[in-house]
Amino acid sequence: KAGVTQTPRYLIKTRGQQVTLSCSPISGHRSVSWYQQTPGQGLQFLFEYFSETQRNKGNFPGRFSGRQFSNSRSEMNVSTLELGDSALYLCASSPSGGAFSEQYFGPGTRLTVT
Amino acid sequence: GENVEQHPSTLSVQEGDSAVIKCTYSDSASNYFPWYKQELGKRPQLIIDIRSNVGEKKDQRIAVTLNKTAKHFSLHITETQPEDSAVYFCAGTDGGSNYKLTFGKGTLLTVNP
Repeated sequence: KAGVTQTPRYLIKTRGQQVTLSCSPISGHRSVSWYQQTPGQGLQFLFEYFSETQRNKGNFPGRFSGRQFSNSRSEMNVSTLELGDSALYLCASSPSGGAFSEQYFGPGTRLTVT
Repeated sequence: GENVEQHPSTLSVQEGDSAVIKCTYSDSASNYFPWYKQELGKRPQLIIDIRSNVGEKKDQRIAVTLNKTAKHFSLHITETQPEDSAVYFCAGTDGGSNYKLTFGKGTLLTVNP
């Protein structure tokens, strides 16, 4: 099976702009989670989707949003970008809808805000 | 919500020695504790996980122990090799939801040949 893919891999944006990142899970996986990874804070949970529904959300401002499509692909959007949004954004997919199981991570999108 | 603390932040060992990384968690309802390894420039990968109904789990040179009473769990790597050098993250589920993982801030393990 193909692994989790994310596009684009690298992105440079200017403060105030918005950005959309895409994640395609492993075939058959219906749960997609998003994380922000920075050197100082490690991996921080953004949100999780299952069957097009957001089931949980982390402690990020409303500028961070996401959605999931019927084919389980997911997007996250960040509006009004700030310098502090520069980070590696990782998505991870999981097959389960119930008890937690292994998450498979994508390669990430490296976002730089100038 | 869950809070996971991980220690140490950096760990340097000689090849062949053992390495131990410890994590504590705050949510007593947390029931799943995975460990991820992230090599430089690569994506995190699961190396071992443990559920709250188990006290210890082993997979070759890697083992994880869980103490629910004290709310801490540890990763043990024996006979370390240079390829074990990476950042290791522990995590725990939010007891109020099985769909959210809270990660520790990571441990940079360096194995010196």
